[in-house]
Amino acid sequence: AQSVTQLDSHVSVSEGTPVLLRCNYSSSYSPSLFWYVQHPNKGLQLLLKYTSAATLVKGINGFEAEFKKSETSFHLTKPSAHMSDAAEYFCVVSSSGGGADGLTFGKGTHLIIQP
Amino acid sequence: GAVVSQHPSRVICKSGTSVKIECRSLDFQATTMFWYRQFPKKSLMLMATSNEGSKATYEQGVEKDKFLINHASLTLSTLTVTSAHPEDSSFYICSALVPWDVDTQYFGPGTRLTVL
Repeated sequence: AQSVTQLDSHVSVSEGTPVLLRCNYSSSYSPSLFWYVQHPNKGLQLLLKYTSAATLVKGINGFEAEFKKSETSFHLTKPSAHMSDAAEYFCVVSSSGGGADGLTFGKGTHLIIQP
Repeated sequence: GAVVSQHPSRVICKSGTSVKIECRSLDFQATTMFWYRQFPKKSLMLMATSNEGSKATYEQGVEKDKFLINHASLTLSTLTVTSAHPEDSSFYICSALVPWDVDTQYFGPGTRLTVL
């Protein structure tokens, strides 16, 4: 069994300040972990993915995430928020069985960027 | 890249009619596609896994006779909502597994279904 907990339903930051979106997971297997972003009325776009090659994963648009096994966390960060970052963010876990088993989604974090 | 398209992006239909939604992988072949449903301000709920050339696998609680899935080619899966009712109104999103990265799904832009 696997699960994902996104610790904040909403996060509000000012433009130009750092972003931190928190995610904890549980998995019986060595997980693959993902962050996806969804803009209003749009599909999901892959930001980044962790397998096992490196614990610090760099993604698109300046985002990165660090896998910490001891804390079962995979928090998403960005040094400086931009207005275009306002969206819904989903932390997702996949079992080592691969994507054919489907993904388990967190409930999402709504990121608000204040001007 | 890995581009997944959906058609239509929006559809409005009358109660009791059927609606077909198409999901296409534009620049790769996808043996496995997925269909999700998303309620307002909610996360995605997996409805079914669609495998090319075989029957779809439905998640518990999803009516297979109501949500018909066909994956007749390596680039196309369709979801048909039969005898639609207002409670079927939702945002439907498909995704596809890419052959070069076995556990990464690429998502389509979604289809907004409104049943009157």
